[in-house]
Amino acid sequence: AQSVAQPEDQVNVAEGNPLTVKCTYSVSGNPYLFWYVQYPNRGLQFLLKYITGDNLVKGSYGFEAEFNKSQTSFHLKKPSALVSDSALYFCAVRDRDDKIIFGKGTRLHILP
Amino acid sequence: GAVVSQHPSRVICKSGTSVKIECRSLDFQATTMFWYRQFPKQSLMLMATSNEGSKATYEQGVEKDKFLINHASLTLSTLTVTSAHPEDSSFYICSARAAEAGRQPQHFGDGTRLSIL
Repeated sequence: AQSVAQPEDQVNVAEGNPLTVKCTYSVSGNPYLFWYVQYPNRGLQFLLKYITGDNLVKGSYGFEAEFNKSQTSFHLKKPSALVSDSALYFCAVRDRDDKIIFGKGTRLHILP
Repeated sequence: GAVVSQHPSRVICKSGTSVKIECRSLDFQATTMFWYRQFPKQSLMLMATSNEGSKATYEQGVEKDKFLINHASLTLSTLTVTSAHPEDSSFYICSARAAEAGRQPQHFGDGTRLSIL
């Protein structure tokens, strides 16, 4: 079965520093991977996706993610964090039935 | 970009009440909509997949008679929590994918916070 793992419940980063939110995946076949962000009491906003092509995917709000097949990882990154980036981030994979399987989420705190 | 509207955003009601939540795709046609439930500080749990014009497909452990789903048009799906009880209190989120989506992501509504007293 397809799955994603987010090993960190919370990540704290100082404003202006680079940030990384980790995600590893387990899939059979080619993975369709996604990152979503959730602000308090809101739904999920799509950030970026990897289907095929370049391993470095650029998305919304300056975020990017690197697909690494050998390490089965899809870490989310941003070169310079903003306080407004503080939110809950979900890594996700689409399974064979087109359902989205979410990781447990990582809460990102950007410290002013 | 694709917009999904979910209504109401918050509901507070007495135990035993049935509550209907609407999910609309505003600028695209969605043959498939998904309903999720999210408990505090937890991930989203898929409840059911709603296909226009056919019966919803429920995930294991989700009571279909408790959570009624109707997807009568390409832009509207509804979730009715029947005879709601305090344990049904949760954050419910819908998502939709365009008919020709293929590899496109799902787009999410802003969620409905349901509180049963």
